[in-house]
Amino acid sequence: QQQVKQSPQSLIVQKGGISIINCAYENTAFDYFPWYQQFPGKGPALLIAIRPDVSEKKEGRFTISFNKSAKQFSLHIMDSQPGDSATYFCAARGDKIIFGKGTRLHILP
Amino acid sequence: EPEVTQTPSHQVTQMGQEVILRCVPISNHLYFYWYRQILGQKVEFLVSFYNNEISEKSEIFDDQFSVERPDGSNFTLKIRSTKLEDSAMYFCASSPFGQELEEQYFGPGTRLTVT
Repeated sequence: QQQVKQSPQSLIVQKGGISIINCAYENTAFDYFPWYQQFPGKGPALLIAIRPDVSEKKEGRFTISFNKSAKQFSLHIMDSQPGDSATYFCAARGDKIIFGKGTRLHILP
Repeated sequence: EPEVTQTPSHQVTQMGQEVILRCVPISNHLYFYWYRQILGQKVEFLVSFYNNEISEKSEIFDDQFSVERPDGSNFTLKIRSTKLEDSAMYFCASSPFGQELEEQYFGPGTRLTVT
């Protein structure tokens, strides 16, 4: 119940394309859903986050779509760029933050 | 821009030895955390710390682990008797308000290698 399931494990997208990463959760007590971006050798950095009372949040090229009834949320990266190549973690917070297993995204130049 | 710093960047130790990982959180932050990430795997919560005491800990954070804020700036994670499976990246994070403001700022990590 405390798990956050993330897919795919890895993703290759052409420059300019849309990258989509999906996550699902079970615990309805989760009340905050952040996405983290991690570059090699660095710590995770908060990218964008959403609360369950909102179905979508957009910040620049990054959009979170949230489906409360399905207990799913996804990250969309529009106009993907090589600099977006990184590992992305979805997460959910109850009494602590639970991370998904990560998606290694590679944007082809 | 203020950032969380961690030292050392890489620590190699022998099994059974004690290690102390050090973190300097962002100066006006009140909540501090330790996470670990085994190579290629997800980030796992270890412990949160507020007002000089542990507020939450995971099942990973057993009696071999302890945290301390020995002065006004440092936040340390001690592993008393390291095991091979403790080899991982250890990230410190801090946040201003904990539950009320969720954004956690992560440090660059310490790579711990237990041989």
